[in-house]
Amino acid sequence: DAKTTQPPSMDCAEGRAANLPCNHSTISGNEYVYWYRQIHSQGPQYIIHGLKNNETNEMASLIITEDRKSSTLILPHATLRDTAVYYCIVRVRGSNYKLTFGKGTLLTVNP
Amino acid sequence: GAVVSQHPSRVICKSGTSVKIECRSLDFQATTMFWYRQFPKQSLMLMATSNEGSKATYEQGVEKDKFLINHASLTLSTLTVTSAHPEDSSFYICSARDSRDRGAREQYFGPGTRLTVT
Repeated sequence: DAKTTQPPSMDCAEGRAANLPCNHSTISGNEYVYWYRQIHSQGPQYIIHGLKNNETNEMASLIITEDRKSSTLILPHATLRDTAVYYCIVRVRGSNYKLTFGKGTLLTVNP
Repeated sequence: GAVVSQHPSRVICKSGTSVKIECRSLDFQATTMFWYRQFPKQSLMLMATSNEGSKATYEQGVEKDKFLINHASLTLSTLTVTSAHPEDSSFYICSARDSRDRGAREQYFGPGTRLTVT
């Protein structure tokens, strides 16, 4: 699976959009971009995934660049409960299903 | 949505004893479950892949005789930490794959079990 690079931490004001970047310059054509988050002392939670088109669901939007070498997770209206570590993972969907977690980005939403 | 539970949520045990952690898929069948370990301020590390009815596959560096995994049914996998020592103190998290789910999420995570070995 391709390696990802994320900033270690970010801050965001409550009510504002949180934009979390992820670089995956070695991504291959059949690899998807997945985003999970982990609130302190809880199990990870799936957020969204995509291949090359932008995706949106009830939690977030995923913007993938045309060359697919980077992506941005957007939380449109961050709340205090969105404070968590966000993990960007690149892998072939439906492969051995293993998830390799990097260090992620600690997003702190401030009041 | 799909729910995965873990029991217990917290456990404290004495050094040298064994501890069993259960992972259950509550509303779906899981032919494959995963066990992760997370030390403080670190990321999740995959320990093993548990397949129903067969032996677990362990990641490199994980002692299979120390971390016994049993996946006896489609809804239950257990992790037994044998002869636990303080360095085994960690946050253990399981995830389960819905074998019928061809959709997005593929894995559902449990809430985790905090193990403290004294």
